[in-house]
Order: sequence, then structure tokens, then C-alpha cells
Amino acid sequence: LAKTTQPISMDSYEGQEVNITCSHNNIATNDYITWYQQFPSQGPRFIIQGYKTKVTNEVASLFIPADRKSSTLSLPRVSLSDTAVYYCLVGPSGNQFYFGTGTSLTVIP
Amino acid sequence: GAGVSQSPSNKVTEKGKDVELRCDPISGHTALYWYRQSLGQGLEFLIYFQGNSAPDKSGLPSDRFSAERTGGSVSTLTIQRTQQEDSAVYLCASRARWGESSYNEQFFGPGTRLTVL
Repeated sequence: LAKTTQPISMDSYEGQEVNITCSHNNIATNDYITWYQQFPSQGPRFIIQGYKTKVTNEVASLFIPADRKSSTLSLPRVSLSDTAVYYCLVGPSGNQFYFGTGTSLTVIP
Repeated sequence: GAGVSQSPSNKVTEKGKDVELRCDPISGHTALYWYRQSLGQGLEFLIYFQGNSAPDKSGLPSDRFSAERTGGSVSTLTIQRTQQEDSAVYLCASRARWGESSYNEQFFGPGTRLTVL
């Protein structure tokens, strides 16, 4: 089971770009990298997924270097509503995903 | 369409009692996960169902925990003789079948908050 390491918390001002980096040294060849967002009292919500290089959707970008041992979630121009916990997942390893403790992002007005 | 639903949303019980938590996955999703999230912690994998295959129970913390999935759809997580350390939010997620565009995405329900007094 590939474990991940992320910063416990981050603060950012509204309107700034936020980059959250995740380490996953034991990523397997078949593993994807997926990021989820969780608000208080809600289940996690899918943000973005990638295998290598760069992926972009309407809410975020995901940068994955060639060795795939880390990844960076980029949130452009954050707003107060982006305050949440962000989880980096690698897998599936067998049937399981390792969620870790995530990164608590606080957006400041 | 409808998302993953869970019931009850909150459950308060006394130590030693049994509880049942229900999950209704998205229609047509073949995979179903149960997770536990303690206050301020990440998600802890409990059990995984995939179609008609035998479930992966490797995450269940003790034999007081069990789960079943009837007809490949609704799942029930049962905790017998509840203990205070069982207090947590129990989350259910479902995943689409192989080949669908959202195959690698887990869709989560809102969770059941269990409090054991």
C-alpha cells in the first residue's frame, strides 16, 4: 500500500494560487494519483486525477514529474470556499487507497 | 442522478449495544467501500466489495465489525457490542464498473456520525 506525505496545514490569501505537494515514494507502476477535497461534515469529493505529466480541469491542475514520486495540486485564485482538507491518494494498491491525514487549507480574506 | 446515500446521518448509542449503518451506492456501481474517520484524522479503510467477489475485509479493526452487501447494491455495516473508541464518522463510497470514464473515482456519501456513550 503506497503511503503519501503531505503538509498538515497551509494558509493562503484570497485570489492567490495555492500549490500543495504530496510525496509518494513507493508508488507502483499501475497506480494513479488522485486528489480529493473534504469540507466539514461531508464526504470527500473528487478533484482531479493523473498518471504522469500535467492534467488540468476546470477547478485545478495536477503536476506529476517523470519519476512520479511526488505530485503537486495547483488551485488557481483560491476563494474562501476553497477552505477544506485536501487528500492525495495513490492507488489502487490491490483494493485499497491510503488517504492519510490530508492538508488543511485555510483561505484568508 | 442520485448520489451515494447513507443512513442514519447521526447515531447515538450506549456502550455494548449493536448498531447497523446503511449505504445505498450509486445505481450500477459495482465497487463499494466503507471507511472510518475519527475526529481530525484521515480516512481508515474498513472493507471493500466488488461485484460478486468475496469482500476484502482486511481493514476491519476487530471481529465486532462486519458488513454485507445484498444483491450487489445496498450495504450494511454492523458493529456489535459497541465501544467508545468506535465513535467516528463512517463513510461509504462507490465506484463505477471497469471501462467507464469515472472508474478510478470514488463517490462518497455524507457519512454516519456514530457516538458511543
